[in-house]
This record gives sequence, structure tokens and C-alpha cells, in this order.
Amino acid sequence: AQKITQTQPGMFVQEKEAVTLDCTYDTSDPSYGLFWYKQPSSGEMIFLIYQGSYDQQNATEGRYSLNFQKARKSANLVISASQLGDSAMYFCAMREGPKGYGNNRLAFGKGNQVVVIP
Amino acid sequence: NAGVTQTPKFQVLKTGQSMTLQCAQDMNHNSMYWYRQDPGMGLRLIYYSASEGTTDKGEVPNGYNVSRLNKREFSLRLESAAPSQTSVYFCASLVERQLQAFFGQGTRLTVV
Repeated sequence: AQKITQTQPGMFVQEKEAVTLDCTYDTSDPSYGLFWYKQPSSGEMIFLIYQGSYDQQNATEGRYSLNFQKARKSANLVISASQLGDSAMYFCAMREGPKGYGNNRLAFGKGNQVVVIP
Repeated sequence: NAGVTQTPKFQVLKTGQSMTLQCAQDMNHNSMYWYRQDPGMGLRLIYYSASEGTTDKGEVPNGYNVSRLNKREFSLRLESAAPSQTSVYFCASLVERQLQAFFGQGTRLTVV
């Protein structure tokens, strides 16, 4: 069964506008972590933001914030004030297993394509 | 620079040939991973290793073998390459306290 679901089709976003990328996940483990990565056309994987399952507050990193709704198993990424350089594929990922416990399986969704237009 | 190093960056194989993709990290991470990326499929986990000497199957392990030689190195072997294994392969490592996984630059493999 798919653990991470990203179902939005490719998105076009106007420069300087905000964009929300949806991610839902499935786990029965009470301890897990959620990540977002960016993959530009050059192909490298760039870490954006992390949210732990026990974190009380939503994670923020500069223009990136994570809207974490634990009961709904949702971890949406919000990019504020989009820039042309934000055009990329965005991946949501989940680590299962307690932080610090060696056996951490890390699963990715299929990604969301974002194109920022001037 | 510290990080995850994958070799080679590009490779073309003929059907039936074998090869090993190498991955090394110098960050003293316990967990290491191999993924393949295909258009529209995201990153699919092939194998992972929670620590030196242990490996576990991921989502798409068929046709691959792995070896966690030591804490630094985690190799992926294709014993008899098939065109269906044409893909971009990524190695990653994770240390829990740093709360992020680090990726290699990827290997673009074509099997003809």
C-alpha cells in the first residue's frame, strides 16, 4: 500500500503568490518524521523542511512552512512568495520508526510538479 | 566536501551485463538507502540498511542485490541488467538527530 500520496497534477503559479502542495500519509507507527524535498531540473535532491510526529508546532524554514494536521494524516507544504527558482518537482517523504532507532525506512511520494510563471 | 558520493554518474549497459553502483558517505550515518526514480513514479525504495551488516528489502528489490560493506559504503549490484532497470538511481543516508536525509548526485543508468 502506498504510504505517501501526492495527487495534484502539475501546477502553474504566478510569481510572488503562495502555493500549497498536498501530501497525505499512512502509518500506524506513533513516531515518524515527514520531509519535503525539492528536485530542480538539474536533478539533485534538496532538503526543504522536516516535521516530527511529536512536534507541537508546524515547522517553518524561511519561505517554506509545513501545515501538519496529524489527525488527518496530512503534511502540506506551503511556499510563500513564489520565485522563478521555485520551479521544480517537490517530493513528500516519511521516515517510520522512532527517531534514534536504527531501522528507519524512508518512503517518498510521486511528487508534485510546480512551474512558476512571471 | 562532506556528503554522499555516488559512482558512476552515467552508465550504459547491454542486457545481461552486470555492474555495481557505489555509494559512500562520510557523515557517520547509520541508515543508508538506494532508490530508483522513473518518470511519474517518484522515488521508489529498492533496499535500505539500518546499520553495518544489515539490509532490508524496499518496495522494488527484484533484480538487485546490496552490500553494506562498512558504515561508510552501501553498494547496489545488478547481476543481469534488463531494459526495465533503465532509471536514475539515488543513494541516500540518514542520521536521525539531523532530521534530514542526504542524497548523492544520482546515477543515470541505461540498459540497451
